[in-house]
Amino acid sequence: GIQVEQSPPDLILQEGANSTLRCNFSDSVNNLQWFHQNPWGQLINLFYIPSGTKQNGRLSATTVATERYSLLYISSSQTTDSGVYFCAVAYNTNAGKSTFGDGTTLTVKP
Amino acid sequence: NAGVTQTPKFRVLKTGQSMTLLCAQDMNHEYMYWYRQDPGMGLRLIHYSVGEGTTAKGEVPDGYNVSRLKKQNFLLGLESAAPSQTSVYFCASSYKTVNEKLFFGSGTQLSVL
Repeated sequence: GIQVEQSPPDLILQEGANSTLRCNFSDSVNNLQWFHQNPWGQLINLFYIPSGTKQNGRLSATTVATERYSLLYISSSQTTDSGVYFCAVAYNTNAGKSTFGDGTTLTVKP
Repeated sequence: NAGVTQTPKFRVLKTGQSMTLLCAQDMNHEYMYWYRQDPGMGLRLIHYSVGEGTTAKGEVPDGYNVSRLKKQNFLLGLESAAPSQTSVYFCASSYKTVNEKLFFGSGTQLSVL
């Protein structure tokens, strides 16, 4: 099956800093999603982005499908951005059979 | 519109006990899923359903059973709980096609002693 690697595994930032999280995957995909798991455990869908670039406020994501990676950018980080960020990918199957990476744990300090 | 609702939120079981987790969604989604999340890891798919009356095995199905008697509900059962099933369980749903977002419930923390 598809392998998903996320980096870095842990990231500590000062409030206001910018960051880039990376997701590498081992095969072609037609579904790629980024999720944020907040400190209370809730999983929020940030982006559905199998290719191209999307932006939502301070967050943006870019997927280069031909090179098998996706990047999540967080600008002007806030303490509420803390949590774990997961990348999930799927190919030719339903969205729920996505393979999840192990996540990047982000801590934003005030 | 509540989205995906899971009950209960917390549960403690003794080894060998049984229990059922309930997932309900009000978005008219065809597909529903049960995942488990262990510390420091991503989510792993236990079972899923592509419509009312259907179920299928995911990546880690052993020790679990599921049922989808109504489109809006997906039940996860543990017949004889084991300490290895201590985990956080998440339910999710999506529309029919592969090119759709996943929507998650808030999770159930299960401890098996």
